[in-house]
Amino acid sequence: SQQGEEDPQALSIQEGENATMNCSYKTSINNLQWYRQNSGRGLVHLILIRSNEREKHSGRLRVTLDTSKKSSSLLITASRAADTASYFCATDEAGSQGNLIFGKGTKLSVKP
Amino acid sequence: DGGITQSPKYLFRKEGQNVTLSCEQNLNHDAMYWYRQDPGQGLRLIYYSQIVNDFQKGDIAEGYSVSREKKESFPLTVTSAQKNPTAFYLCASSIRSPGTDGVEKLFFGSGTQLSVL
Repeated sequence: SQQGEEDPQALSIQEGENATMNCSYKTSINNLQWYRQNSGRGLVHLILIRSNEREKHSGRLRVTLDTSKKSSSLLITASRAADTASYFCATDEAGSQGNLIFGKGTKLSVKP
Repeated sequence: DGGITQSPKYLFRKEGQNVTLSCEQNLNHDAMYWYRQDPGQGLRLIYYSQIVNDFQKGDIAEGYSVSREKKESFPLTVTSAQKNPTAFYLCASSIRSPGTDGVEKLFFGSGTQLSVL
C-alpha cells in the first residue's frame, strides 16, 4: 500500500539555491518522517514531525505539515553538492499496527 | 561503534535456492524491520518484529521468512518461492515498539543487493 507520494520525482538545482520537496498522503497519521538515501546506501533519518505539529526545523532543513490537506514539505536551504541524494517521506498511519509506509522519493541533484 | 550491520553487501541466488540475509544491531532496539526496495521505488515492508520470538508479516511477506531468537539479530531468508527476488534489501530498527505516538525514527543498515544468477 502506498501512502506518501513525493513531488517532484526529480529536482535539479544549483548549489546555493533552495530545494523544496512535497509529500501527500491519504489517511490520518500519527507522525510523518523524512529520510535521505545516497545511491546504493541505507536511509538516514532527517526529521520527524508529529500530527499535532505544524513546522519543525533542523539546521538547514525545514519541514511543514498540513493535516487538513494531508501534505508535508521539506525545504533544504542553501543547498550543497553533498545534498545530492534521494529523499523519502514516510507516514505512520493512525490505528495501524505500527510500521512506516514510504513514498517513491524525490531524486535531488545539486550541481556545483 | 553502534549501529546496524547487514551482510553480505552483495548476494547471488541460483534458481531453487534459499538464501539468508543477515542483520545485526547493537543499539539495544526492540523493534526490527525488513524492507525491499526496487529501482526507482519506495520501500515495501516484508516483515517486522516488535519483540524477541515474535514477528508480523508486512505487505509483501510471501516467499520470505524471518526469525527473532535474539534481540540483536533478525535474519531474512529469501526462499525459492520468491520468484522475483532481485532487489535491494534494507534492515532497520527502532528504539521501541510503536506506542500511542506511533513509530519512532528508524535506523537503517547499509543494505544487501540480491541478484539472481
